[in-house]
Amino acid sequence: ILNVEQSPQSLHVQEGDSTNFTCSFPSSNFYALHWYRWETAKSPEALFVMTLNGDEKKKGRISATLNTKEGYSYLYIKGSQPEDSATYLCAFRLPGSARQLTFGSGTQLTVLP
Amino acid sequence: GAGVSQSPSNKVTEKGKDVELRCDPISGHTALYWYRQSLGQGLEFLIYFQGNSAPDKSGLPSDRFSAERTGGSVSTLTIQRTQQEDSAVYLCASSPGTGQNSPLHFGNGTRLTVT
Repeated sequence: ILNVEQSPQSLHVQEGDSTNFTCSFPSSNFYALHWYRWETAKSPEALFVMTLNGDEKKKGRISATLNTKEGYSYLYIKGSQPEDSATYLCAFRLPGSARQLTFGSGTQLTVLP
Repeated sequence: GAGVSQSPSNKVTEKGKDVELRCDPISGHTALYWYRQSLGQGLEFLIYFQGNSAPDKSGLPSDRFSAERTGGSVSTLTIQRTQQEDSAVYLCASSPGTGQNSPLHFGNGTRLTVT
C-alpha cells in the first residue's frame, strides 16, 4: 500500500499572503508526481506533472518543486487570491504495471479577502 | 474541445438497487480511470483501462462493483445491490496514455447518494 501524505489538511490565509504545502511519497521507485487543483463544483484540473529530481515548475503565481531522493514535493502560491481557494491534490505514480495514480487526501486552501 | 463527460451528475437511489454511471472520455484518449471520493476521504482508485489490455480492477471494493469500456471509448461503472457506504462522488478521468508526462483529465463526477 502506497502512502501519499499531504500537509496541512487545511489552511486559511489572507489575500496577498504567500503559502506552501507539502506532499510526501515513497522515495524508492519513483515514476511521476502530479499536482491537481480541485475547486468546488468543478472537476480536478492538472497543474503540474513532475518527473525529475530537482524539477521546478511554474504556472503563473503557482510553482512546485520535487525531491525524489527524500520523497517530497512542495507547492507554492505567491500572493494568494480568493480564486486560489480550492483543494490541492498530489498524486504519485509508480513505474511499471502499477499505472494508477495514488492520491493524497489534499490540502484545502481558503483565501480570505 | 469536449472534455470528459459523466452522467448522471447526481443520482439518488434506494439501498439494494443497481446503478449505472457513465463516462465519455476525451476522444483519442486510450487510458480511462475511475476514482471515488467518499465524505472526508481522499480519492480512491477503483479501476483502470488502457487500450485493449485487460483492465486493472485492483481497486474495486467488492464484487458488487464492475466496469466495462466498450470500443475503447465509453465506460460504464455498475454497482449492484447498492449500500449506504457506496455513497460518494464517482470521478472518471482519461489520459492520452500512461507516459511519464500524461496528466489525467477529469470529468465533473457523479454524486451518488444511497438512501
